[in-house]
Amino acid sequence: EIVLTQSPATLSLSPGEGATLSCRASQRVGSYLAWYQQKPGQAPRLIIYDASNRATGIPARFTGSGSGTDFTLTISSLEPEDFAVYYCQQRSNWPLTFGGGTKVEIK
Amino acid sequence: EVQLLESGGGLVQPGGSLRLSCAASGFSFGNYAMSWVRQAPGKGLEWVSVISAGGSTFYADSVKGRFTVSRANSQNTVFLQMNSLRPEDTAIYYCAKCADYSASSAIFSWGQGALVTVPS
Repeated sequence: EIVLTQSPATLSLSPGEGATLSCRASQRVGSYLAWYQQKPGQAPRLIIYDASNRATGIPARFTGSGSGTDFTLTISSLEPEDFAVYYCQQRSNWPLTFGGGTKVEIK
Repeated sequence: EVQLLESGGGLVQPGGSLRLSCAASGFSFGNYAMSWVRQAPGKGLEWVSVISAGGSTFYADSVKGRFTVSRANSQNTVFLQMNSLRPEDTAIYYCAKCADYSASSAIFSWGQGALVTVPS
């Protein structure tokens, strides 16, 4: 099973600041990595698929990068609605796996 | 607009069974793989199962042999039959639409979830 390790566990930032979230895979997953955003009491929402493709309706301030084992989600300038938990997920190998999440909280 | 509506959740005793349904609309259901993902209270996301457009199925080790995913394309519905339920199966179960027909395609859209509770 591929283990996805997300860091940091919590990121405390102010609106307007940039955020950099990391996801490291225990084995190479190519570009088969997605990022999801989840707010309290809501279902997850796809942000980035296949490492760098923004999902429909996702603002340009969200950027995904990386391949192989190291991936990054960058939020260029945090808006109030961006404070949430972010999960990465790989679809390269069975079983599909998620990372443990990074909480982006308001400082 | 893609809509996914889960139903069938509830309280079930250990060892019991439950069947979740997910009614889909807004897309050509039969052309897409459908997945189930769960989230235990206060925890992260855990992939559970997927069924391809062609009917191929895959499961997490934690549910293999106990859960069965199926689909009824004529009803635009995907099911998750859960048997031999354990307290650790307590979670919100999300139905999700994949990017295309393949079971390994990205998860694109999510339902609002159905809560399954198995008391210890």
